[in-house]
Formats: sequence, structure tokens, C-alpha cells
Amino acid sequence: RKEVEQDPGPFNVPEGATVAFNCTYSNSASQSFFWYRQDCRKEPKLLMSVYSSGNEDGRFTAQLNRASQYISLLIRDSKLSDSATYLCVVGGATNKLIFGTGTLLAVQP
Amino acid sequence: DGGITQSPKYLFRKEGQNVTLSCEQNLNHDAMYWYRQDPGQGLRLIYYSQIVNDFQKGDIAEGYSVSREKKESFPLTVTSAQKNPTAFYLCASNPRALNTGELFFGEGSRLTVL
Repeated sequence: RKEVEQDPGPFNVPEGATVAFNCTYSNSASQSFFWYRQDCRKEPKLLMSVYSSGNEDGRFTAQLNRASQYISLLIRDSKLSDSATYLCVVGGATNKLIFGTGTLLAVQP
Repeated sequence: DGGITQSPKYLFRKEGQNVTLSCEQNLNHDAMYWYRQDPGQGLRLIYYSQIVNDFQKGDIAEGYSVSREKKESFPLTVTSAQKNPTAFYLCASNPRALNTGELFFGEGSRLTVL
């Protein structure tokens, strides 16, 4: 089993739609969680950290479920500019970050 | 502007040749990292350094070497011993330690072995 697993997609959604991605992690001792965004052939950039209480940044909401060992990212009112690959990143007691393979989102006009 | 600069962006090399990828940061970050990204795989850690003159192997260090003689510089050498060097290489930094916050990435270096 991979340490961090994501559905690779692609998720094809129309503008204005709500879309959600899940990411599961295998190490129950994991302590930090992030969502990064990566545009095609570009470097990843931090989208948001994921806190135990959940957090929201505009149209984006991230949640953590420790019992089931997954994190989620919800995007409301999708824009064309949201089209990208979304990387789930988990950090743990081993003092390293584990990157998921990413979920590709394509927002259609 | 502060940031991380990688060069070259694109590089072609013949089999059997060593190549060095440059990574420079002016963010005054202590920690620097090299990742490799292949299609369908997550980023994999090659080497990291948390302080000048010190570095540690990541998950896939074989066939690579690094140095950290200055805080702002962390070059990566892809040696001829690396069996499958064609990949997208990303350098990153953060102020403190690996799993404690945001990684700042350079724009990447795309290496193709002919």
C-alpha cells in the first residue's frame, strides 16, 4: 500500500461546479498535512495546510479525518483557473514529507 | 525578489556524462532539498540539507551527489551511475525542518538523457 494515495483523475467538471478530492495516508503517526497545487510543467506551490479542526480559504475547504486517515479538499464554484494537479502531502514522525501522485482537475467552460 | 533559482531549465546529456544542476536561494532558509518527479509518481526525495556543510540521503540518493558549502547554494550532480536520470528535478527550501511547513520550490530543471 502506498503511504499517500490519491485518485489520479482526471476530474472533468463544468465551471461553477463543486468538486472534492480525497487523499488517504497509511501512517497513523502522521502529524502534518498539506495540499499543494501544480500547474502543468511547473513547480508545486502550497495551496493550504490542513488543520485538525478543518480550515477554509475562500472557495477552498480542507478537512482532516484522523480516524479514517484521510484528508479532503473541496473546491466550490470552480473556475477555469483552478485547472491543475492537486498534490496531497503528508509529514510524520519520520521527519519527511510524502507526496501523493496528484489529482488532475480540468474545469471546462 | 526573494526566491529559489534553478538552472538550467532544460538540459540534454548523453549517457555516461555527469551533469550538475544549480540551485540558489536568497530566502535565508536553513533547509534545502532536491526532489525528482516522474510521470505518474509523487515527488521523491533525493537529498536534503538542514545546515551548511551537512546533508543527508533521501529515498533515492543512489547515482546522485550534492554539496552544501554555502547556505544559499545546494547543487545536485547527476552521475553516470544513475540508471534512469531523465526526469524533472525540483529544488526546494524552507526555514527550518522538513515536515514543519511550506516548501518553496524553484521552477525545476528538466533533464533528458539521449
